[in-house]
Amino acid sequence: GAVVSQHPSWVICKSGTSVKIECRSLDFQATTMFWYRQFPKQSLMLMATSNEGSKATYEQGVEKDKFLINHASLTLSTLTVTSAHPEDSSFYICSARGYPSYNEQFFGPGTRLTVL
Amino acid sequence: TQLLEQSPQFLSIQEGENLTVYCNSSSVFSSLQWYRQEPGEGPVLLVTVVTGGEVKKLKRLTFQFGDARKDSSLHITAAQPGDTGLYLCAGGSGSSNTGKLIFGQGTTLQVKP
Repeated sequence: GAVVSQHPSWVICKSGTSVKIECRSLDFQATTMFWYRQFPKQSLMLMATSNEGSKATYEQGVEKDKFLINHASLTLSTLTVTSAHPEDSSFYICSARGYPSYNEQFFGPGTRLTVL
Repeated sequence: TQLLEQSPQFLSIQEGENLTVYCNSSSVFSSLQWYRQEPGEGPVLLVTVVTGGEVKKLKRLTFQFGDARKDSSLHITAAQPGDTGLYLCAGGSGSSNTGKLIFGQGTTLQVKP
């Protein structure tokens, strides 16, 4: 099956620093990757959609200058949380879709971000 | 705006009981997926349904897509403690090819031994 990895699985950082999270599709070419944020016991909230080689499309209310997304290749997308603050602490999950199952998204294991 | 209303949001039952989770919308979806998520992990795809009226079975789990492709249900027979987790339904938008999924609010299921 399709496998998506995320790195790191958890990160603790100081307020004001930037954190980069990587999302990789290991056995398929991900033409589109999605970034979600999830609070405890809640559903997933879509932050942005990124297509390989083009700028990400952000959902309403998501600050594109704060959450920088890069999708430079068909197997890698990165999310950088810039100048992180405690309210950015959350569980960040990426997903990917691509050939041959364009109807399905395959999710990474998530990254737990804690900002002190 | 497409919305998926998932119910119930919380469910606590005894081992061996049956349960049904519902996902309803006023919008038509091109496909509907069910995921199961455990704490600290990403969602794992259980099934995708694409045809109105479609029924799929996965061991003790039965998934149904409504005839009009606006609603879906997940039925678990003889629930076991290992079924405990967050169940999410997600609809694929039929209005565009963005690939975006609309997620329901999730159902937290606890199965007590």
